[in-house]
Amino acid sequence: NAGVTQTPKFQVLKTGQSMTLQCAQDMNHEYMSWYRQDPGMGLRLIHYSVGAGITDQGEVPNGYNVSRSTTEDFPLRLLSAAPSQTSVYFCASSYGTGTVNTEAFFGQGTRLTVV
Amino acid sequence: AQTVTQSQPEMSVQEAETVTLSCTYDTSENNYYLFWYKQPPSRQMILVIRQEAYKQQNATENRFSVNFQKAAKSFSLKISDSQLGDTAMYFCAPNAGNNRKLIWGLGTSLAVNP
Repeated sequence: NAGVTQTPKFQVLKTGQSMTLQCAQDMNHEYMSWYRQDPGMGLRLIHYSVGAGITDQGEVPNGYNVSRSTTEDFPLRLLSAAPSQTSVYFCASSYGTGTVNTEAFFGQGTRLTVV
Repeated sequence: AQTVTQSQPEMSVQEAETVTLSCTYDTSENNYYLFWYKQPPSRQMILVIRQEAYKQQNATENRFSVNFQKAAKSFSLKISDSQLGDTAMYFCAPNAGNNRKLIWGLGTSLAVNP
């Protein structure tokens, strides 16, 4: 079982460039999310999805877009990279039980540097 | 707003000893799970243990156990017989947020010394 596959592991972008972080899960989880992790800030939620075709904003959505066309995939798009988006990004998925989720399974993370 | 407080930014323990990491949280939800995650230097997020809020019995997973006090909204993690491989950042995260969101603490950096 692959679990949550997140690519790439490392990426360097120039200011103004765009890119897509890929995330795929093979556990048929309905709930998927993207976080960024900065030193001293813990994990902050960027966007999340409760099922195919449904997405919503988290705490820090500005500068990022998401879509959920299938249950398996939840890509994160940076439209015009800025140095403030230098961070480690995590994709996660979990099984929803109606009003409560079970544990989140994480991808291996992407270290993004914007110069 | 729902919040999680991990009051110990850094801790250290000698190998084979026991250490307890504290976590308090605030939520108006009644039915939720609580999790402790470990993040070693590899940065991978690893689930350590989970607790269901409706269960009174504290969860145990090998050397890891929790002390869950629902009324006090406290969820501490005890690591027994600490090993060098336990060196990591530990995050407390109840999924007691709106729309089933996880709420994250800022973490406790644990160093296990030989």
